Amino acid sequence: DAKTTQPPSMDCAEGRAANLPCNHSTISGNEYVYWYRQIHSQGPQYIIHGLKNNETNEMASLIITEDRKSSTLILPHATLRDTAVYYCIVRVSFTGANSKLTFGKGITLSVRP
Amino acid sequence: NAGVTQTPKFQVLKTGQSMTLQCAQDMNHNSMYWYRQDPGMGLRLIYYSASEGTTDKGEVPNGYNVSRLNKREFSLRLESAAPSQTSVYFCASSRTGFSTDTQYFGPGTRLTVL
Repeated sequence: DAKTTQPPSMDCAEGRAANLPCNHSTISGNEYVYWYRQIHSQGPQYIIHGLKNNETNEMASLIITEDRKSSTLILPHATLRDTAVYYCIVRVSFTGANSKLTFGKGITLSVRP
Repeated sequence: NAGVTQTPKFQVLKTGQSMTLQCAQDMNHNSMYWYRQDPGMGLRLIYYSASEGTTDKGEVPNGYNVSRLNKREFSLRLESAAPSQTSVYFCASSRTGFSTDTQYFGPGTRLTVL
């Protein structure tokens, strides 16, 4: 799986959009970009994933650059409950033990009132 | 639809004691996983089960055993607990065993071994 680089932390004001960047410059054509988050003391939570096209669901939007070397997770209206560590992961399809999730350090998002 | 549930939420053991961590999912998923998370270490896969009736070792299986009781349930047993097994344990499930399939996690079991 390609390596990802995320800044260690960022903050945003409640109600504003939070734009979380991720660099994956070594991504290959068959690797997906996944985002998970982990709110303190809770289990990791899936947010969104994509291959080439931008994606949107009820939680967030994922914008992938045309060259696929970077992406941005957008939380359109951040709330205090969105304070968490956000993990960007790139993955190619494997079965078995290779299907384990490996989280890097992630980015800590702090939403301020 | 509860998703993935784990029991107990907290547990304190003495060295040498045994216990079983329970996990169940109600999403009709085929694959289930046990991870441990230590501060600064990220998630590490202990065991996984690609489908009912099969289990395989992950990265850190020593000191643990698992049972895939049926499609819904996947338990993790510590036969003789050691302080190094103090950790937060997460169970997860996915529809298939492919890495691009979304994994859904339980709330975790916080285990302390004294």
